[in-house]
Amino acid sequence: QKEVEQNSGPLSVPEGAIASLNCTYSDRGSQSFFWYRQYSGKSPELIMFIYSNGDKEDGRFTAQLNKASQYVSLLIRDSQPSDSATYLCARADSWGKLQFGAGTQVVVTP
Amino acid sequence: DADVTQTPRNRITKTGKRIMLECSQTKGHDRMYWYRQDPGLGLRLIYYSFDVKDINKGEISDGYSVSRQAQAKFSLSLESAIPNQTALYFCATSDWSSTGELFFGEGSRLTVL
Repeated sequence: QKEVEQNSGPLSVPEGAIASLNCTYSDRGSQSFFWYRQYSGKSPELIMFIYSNGDKEDGRFTAQLNKASQYVSLLIRDSQPSDSATYLCARADSWGKLQFGAGTQVVVTP
Repeated sequence: DADVTQTPRNRITKTGKRIMLECSQTKGHDRMYWYRQDPGLGLRLIYYSFDVKDINKGEISDGYSVSRQAQAKFSLSLESAIPNQTALYFCATSDWSSTGELFFGEGSRLTVL
């Protein structure tokens, strides 16, 4: 079982709709979680990090963490064509090293 | 200029050749990492270093070696490249006192023929 699991997609989302991305993790001791966006051939860039149960909002992005169920999600509201990218979920281990999921490809269609 | 710089950005080489990928950073971070990215597999950790005297293997270190020449420099070597090492390689840094966020270089695309 991989430490961090994501659906590979592609997730097709109409422009203006909400994109919902999910990520599950196996280590119940995980404390911090990160969402990165990566455009094709480019380096990942941080969207959000979250370490407390509940929701964290930043602009059009909302991260949700449920430690009891061991999942973390990312919602993208009012999806734009520029949101088309691969979204990487990551967890920090006890040493602070990040372990990444395989990523979910999002395609926003006009 | 980028805070985390990788050279070369693209390299094509032949099986058996020795290759070095270099990474330098101006962020003043103690921690540096080398990741490899293959389609459908996400980012996998090759080696990491928490300070100049600290080197640790990641999940896929076989066939690779590293050198931490200074706080700002961390090099990845392939002693004898093989085709399945064809991938996109990323160097990253982080600050031990922060949230753990990684800051990535622009990537080095390596093709081994």
